[in-house]
Amino acid sequence: GAGVSQSPSNKVTEKGKDVELRCDPISGHTALYWYRQRLGQGLEFLIYFQGNSAPDKSGLPSDRFSAERTGESVSTLTIQRTQQEDSAVYLCASSPRGTGTYNEQFFGPGTRLTVL
Amino acid sequence: QKEVEQNSGPLSVPEGAIASLNCTYSDRGSQSFFWYRQYSGKSPELIMSIYSNGDKEDGRFTAQLNKASQYVSLLIRDSQPSDSATYLCAVANNDMRFGAGTRLTVKP
Repeated sequence: GAGVSQSPSNKVTEKGKDVELRCDPISGHTALYWYRQRLGQGLEFLIYFQGNSAPDKSGLPSDRFSAERTGESVSTLTIQRTQQEDSAVYLCASSPRGTGTYNEQFFGPGTRLTVL
Repeated sequence: QKEVEQNSGPLSVPEGAIASLNCTYSDRGSQSFFWYRQYSGKSPELIMSIYSNGDKEDGRFTAQLNKASQYVSLLIRDSQPSDSATYLCAVANNDMRFGAGTRLTVKP
């Protein structure tokens, strides 16, 4: 595809339910990132995938959050037992390379999650 | 101390003026520096990247990097109302760190 795509674009759920967010990176990009952005706030790093290496999970806020990636393609971010403080826009970004020089990230449109 | 610091703003400039956005970072080993623009309700969009000391110009945008001072800036010449957005500074070494962003308003 031409860019990073994410689905759904909007998700409204009830407190305590599980949600799954999907990200399709740009074809050929080896690195994939998930961020959370609360209203009016900056980007909060969640998790980073680079090829077949073990993901960097250092930003996940709790064990209710998990993510998977199949090879260098689709990634899913799962939030279990959602809480109201999980309400935010979840952004996915991909990069042609991982860490190091020239690692520009390209962002998807985001998924707006609202937990009632 | 935050790893990447930006003035939150809002920064307001009149149309046609130069807007100057500043960013400082704490990791001296940082190698890559980026400016992203984020319109309200939209995702960040890469507008400039810079890797070596000095200036880099692209149209109305100029990025300036001073690694000794751990400082990177973005100048927007001939500012337009359409430039009104939040500008995010990002710094990369082994990973990418984003500042909280500076909100810019260009008044007609």
